[in-house]
Amino acid sequence: DTGVSQDPRHKITKRGQNVTFRCDPISEHNRLYWYRQTLGQGPEFLTYFQNEAQLEKSRLLSDRFSAERPKGSFSTLEIQRTEQGDSAMYLCASSTLQGAKTEAFFGQGTRLTVV
Amino acid sequence: QKEVEQDPGPLSVPEGAIVSLNCTYSNSAFQYFMWYRQYSRKGPELLMYTYSSGNKEDGRFTAQVDKSSKYISLFIRDSQPSDSATYLCAMKGNTGKLIFGQGTTLQVKP
Repeated sequence: DTGVSQDPRHKITKRGQNVTFRCDPISEHNRLYWYRQTLGQGPEFLTYFQNEAQLEKSRLLSDRFSAERPKGSFSTLEIQRTEQGDSAMYLCASSTLQGAKTEAFFGQGTRLTVV
Repeated sequence: QKEVEQDPGPLSVPEGAIVSLNCTYSNSAFQYFMWYRQYSRKGPELLMYTYSSGNKEDGRFTAQVDKSSKYISLFIRDSQPSDSATYLCAMKGNTGKLIFGQGTTLQVKP
């Protein structure tokens, strides 16, 4: 499978716990994006990387959220001290360096439920 | 006001109908316009991608962009039950960051 891969697909956690999600982009894609989608809404941009550099972060990304892409390949998104409001689908997408002119491909998402 | 407005529906049509989905946007910096289809509990998949005003056709799907009115549309001809999904419009400027509409839920009844 050469598409964007996300792990885990589902995560149930207790409020206050930390969680970490992983995204493996399409291998030749330099740009990697994280989005969050709540029920009945479109995805909302969280952050993006060009290679290993994190170039933009949304104000939605509070201090409890941190994302990394240490070697410019896979990326992780960590949420510390989870809250019920963090329950959502977390989507990862990747594209080539010509990001504005080329399409972004999405993974299947990680569905987080905070209880 | 949201940057991208999309009627969430739901929209229910009989099989074979022509479906019209629409979005409006406020940011004239948007240069690229996309329609994604999302099945329940799945990631969005790209249907159509355009970067200029006018029409683009791909099989039963036609995307229309009117930059002067800041209005985009997706038409689905001969709709099928398998087209039942949520349709998301999305726009982007130079960074590649996508701004999505709320999504329109479509149900095509056999």
